Amino acid sequence: GNSVTQMEGPVTLSEEAFLTINCTYTATGYPSLFWYVQYPGEGLQLLLKATKADDKGSNKGFEATYRKETTSFHLEKGSVQVSDSAVYFCALSSGGYNKLIFGAGTRLAVHP
Amino acid sequence: DTAVSQTPKYLVTQMGNDKSIKCEQNLGHDTMYWYKQDSKKFLKIMFSYNNKELIINETVPNRFSPKSPDKAHLNLHINSLELGDSAVYFCASSHLSGASTDTQYFGPGTRLTVL
Repeated sequence: GNSVTQMEGPVTLSEEAFLTINCTYTATGYPSLFWYVQYPGEGLQLLLKATKADDKGSNKGFEATYRKETTSFHLEKGSVQVSDSAVYFCALSSGGYNKLIFGAGTRLAVHP
Repeated sequence: DTAVSQTPKYLVTQMGNDKSIKCEQNLGHDTMYWYKQDSKKFLKIMFSYNNKELIINETVPNRFSPKSPDKAHLNLHINSLELGDSAVYFCASSHLSGASTDTQYFGPGTRLTVL
């Protein structure tokens, strides 16, 4: 079945450091890929998405490229801020009914 | 205006009780979902409705019963609550059913604690 694997956290960085959170997937067909972010005490917000191979999603300085050859969708940001501290979820949707399959989430803590 | 809202935000109850969580979306979307987030933050879909019709029903105990009175509302009723039901429940909505490219918009969550 479809699945998503994310790097385990927590990831702890200093402000202005470079961020990579790895995400790989297993899916039949041609999934769409998403990164959602959950700030403390809040619901999930879409961060970015890509719907076909080689697409790059980007938002708020975050980027991720849909790599079909490596079945990956790694999240990157060049310079993190304290306000980026949150839990990040990689997810895929494939086939009918738009059922999101989530990874386990990666907690990011950014220190001044 | 809140796009996807849930009530209550917190729910504390005793084992064996019956409780409901309500969800409303004002985005004009056709499809709504319920997800469960456990204590380790793992998220899993429970149900999905499209225009009041059930289209996804994952392996969920039949103590959980979703109800959609209209396409803007999807409520979750839970009978005979158990300790293991303690979790955060998220409602979500999306414009289209069956479109894997479509973004889902999430509510703020309802934290259920069963004592």
